[in-house]
Amino acid sequence: DIQLTQSPSFVSASVGDRVTITCRASQGISSYLAWYQQKPGKAPKVLIYAASTLQSGVPSRFSGSGSGTEFTLTISSLQPEDFATYYCQQLNNYPLTFGQGTRLEIK
Amino acid sequence: EVQLLESGGDLLQTGGSLRLSCAASGFTFSSYAMSWVRQAPGKGLEWVSTVGVRGGDTYYADSVKGRFTISRDNSKDTLYLQMSSLRAEDTAVYYCAKGVRATARDYFDYWGQGTLVTVSS
Repeated sequence: DIQLTQSPSFVSASVGDRVTITCRASQGISSYLAWYQQKPGKAPKVLIYAASTLQSGVPSRFSGSGSGTEFTLTISSLQPEDFATYYCQQLNNYPLTFGQGTRLEIK
Repeated sequence: EVQLLESGGDLLQTGGSLRLSCAASGFTFSSYAMSWVRQAPGKGLEWVSTVGVRGGDTYYADSVKGRFTISRDNSKDTLYLQMSSLRAEDTAVYYCAKGVRATARDYFDYWGQGTLVTVSS
C-alpha cells in the first residue's frame, strides 16, 4: 500500500499568511494526487486534483505542485474561511489512501 | 444540483450487519464510479470501497474486504454498502462520494453529508 505522510500535522497561522503543506508518498505516484479541505462536521471538499489543477470554483489563492513522491499545497494569503483540516489522497493504486491530515488553526 | 443523501446508519452490536444507502440526484448516476469513505470520530479519512459504472468492478480496503460489499442500482440512482461482521473499529461516519469519470480510480468531486455507524460491544 502507498503511504502518504503530511507535514506538518498541525499549523497555526494568521489571516494573510502564506502556508504550505507537504504530502510525501512512500512510492512514486506520478501526478495522481488530490487535496481536500474539511471543516468540522462537514464533508470534505476537493481543492486540487492531478496534483496541480484547481477544481472549478476554488479560489486561486490555493495552488498545488509536485509529482512523483513529493507534493505541496499552498495557500497564498490565508482567509478566515480557510481554517480547516487538509488531506491529500493518492489515486495511483488501490487501495486509495489519504494522508493523516493537517489541521490549520488561527494564531 | 448534485446531491448525495446517505441513510441507514445506526447503533448496533459487534458482529451485526447493516446496509447503507446513498441516493443520488442531479447527475447521470450510471456514468460515474462511486465510492464510500469513512471517518472514525476525531480521526482522518479512510477510503472504504469503490464500484465502477456497471457494478462489476469493485475495490475494497483490506480492513473491510470479505465483510463489506459495495453495489449500485443504476435504475434507482442508488449506491449501497452492505456491512457484516461489524467490529468496534468500523464505528465512523460513512460518506458516499462521486467520482469524476466512469473510471473507478479517480478523485471525488461531490460528497454526501455522511451517516453515522456506531458499533458497540
